[in-house]
Amino acid sequence: GDSVTQMEGPVTLSEEAFLTINCTYTATGYPSLFWYVQYPGEGLQLLLKATKADDKGSNKGFEATYRKETTSFHLEKGSVQVSDSAVYFCALSAPRGQRNTPLVFGKGTRLSVIA
Amino acid sequence: DADVTQTPRNRITKTGKRIMLECSQTKGHDRMYWYRQDPGLGLRLIYYSFDVKDINKGEISDGYSVSRQAQAKFSLSLESAIPNQTALYFCATSDPSVGSYEQYFGPGTRLTVT
Repeated sequence: GDSVTQMEGPVTLSEEAFLTINCTYTATGYPSLFWYVQYPGEGLQLLLKATKADDKGSNKGFEATYRKETTSFHLEKGSVQVSDSAVYFCALSAPRGQRNTPLVFGKGTRLSVIA
Repeated sequence: DADVTQTPRNRITKTGKRIMLECSQTKGHDRMYWYRQDPGLGLRLIYYSFDVKDINKGEISDGYSVSRQAQAKFSLSLESAIPNQTALYFCATSDPSVGSYEQYFGPGTRLTVT
């Protein structure tokens, strides 16, 4: 079945460092891909998404590009801030024609940014 | 006001007690979901509902039941709580009819079973 694999955390970075959180997926066809963020004590919020190959999702300085050839959707940010400290989840939805399934989530990657 | 609300936000209960977690949404979405979150295990799907008459088990439904009372309300029950059901529980909604498949999450309920 469909699955998402994320790099394990925790990831600890200094402020202004470059961030990459790896995400790869297994799915048939062309799923939509998502990154969610969970700040301490809160629920998950959609951070960005991409619905087709080579699309780039971006929001709040974060970016991720849908790479069909490598089945990847890595999250990047050029300069992290303390306020980016959170847990990040990669997720996918079933490809077109198979929409009657919930999102599939990775296990999450905890990011801590220190000043 | 939040679009997806969960009550209670925190609950401590004893082993063997029945407990209900409630979720309400004002987004008008047909689809609703219950997940639990445990450290290191990410989100695991308990139950989901595509409309009031359509309820489906997720990957970890044993020990849980649900009720979809209306489009806007989806409750999760633990008939006889046990300590390994201590976790953070999230409700979510989605509306694929608008061509987008993302889910919208509530703030979560932290449940502790002693």
